[in-house]
Amino acid sequence: DTAVSQTPKYLVTQMGNDKSIKCEQNLGHDTMYWYKQDSKKFLKIMFSYNNKELIINETVPNRFSPKSPDKAHLNLHINSLELGDSAVYFCASSLTGDYSGANVLTFGAGSRLTVL
Amino acid sequence: AQSVSQHNHHVILSEAASLELGCNYSYGGTVNLFWYVQYPGQHLQLLLKYFSGDPLVKGIKGFEAEFIKSKFSFNLRKPSVQWSDTAEYFCAAEVQTGANNLFFGTGTRLTVIP
Repeated sequence: DTAVSQTPKYLVTQMGNDKSIKCEQNLGHDTMYWYKQDSKKFLKIMFSYNNKELIINETVPNRFSPKSPDKAHLNLHINSLELGDSAVYFCASSLTGDYSGANVLTFGAGSRLTVL
Repeated sequence: AQSVSQHNHHVILSEAASLELGCNYSYGGTVNLFWYVQYPGQHLQLLLKYFSGDPLVKGIKGFEAEFIKSKFSFNLRKPSVQWSDTAEYFCAAEVQTGANNLFFGTGTRLTVIP
């Protein structure tokens, strides 16, 4: 069973389109994240939700809108896609706890977005 | 500003060579430290982590890392690398009292030549 699953794995689309990436975790974690990994492998956090509440919202264009219907799901919707949005988007989850086990992230397999 | 630095962008080693990847962080408070590995075409996986206690932590696949508080460092080591260790390695840090915000370094690509 996949712990953190993302769909789709690959997405190719034209500039200006709107697309969504979905993420689900079955680990019972209470926090979920979206990270963007660019072509140079640089990994940057975009959003973080804890129990459906947005707790981290880094400097990301407002074309990106996360949505967490419940604590097991965190979807990412992108409006008016641009060439620079091409990247691999990783979903991750963690369980907030004490410092002996806090915040170890489990990552999904990634969703490679290519904007033409 | 909080940040994590990895100064080695690409390291190339022959099999059986020893490995040390540098990682420095800049945080004002107590931190949790991590190393993640990303094998080609795969997602990130946890190699090892440090929260408290013994500053020398051992992870999977023979990797270890040492937390040196005075140097704000958490370098990753392996005494003898294998071809299968070829991957991208990411150091990460979070403030223990922070809001689940894990900052990653820019990554170090390790290529092991058979």
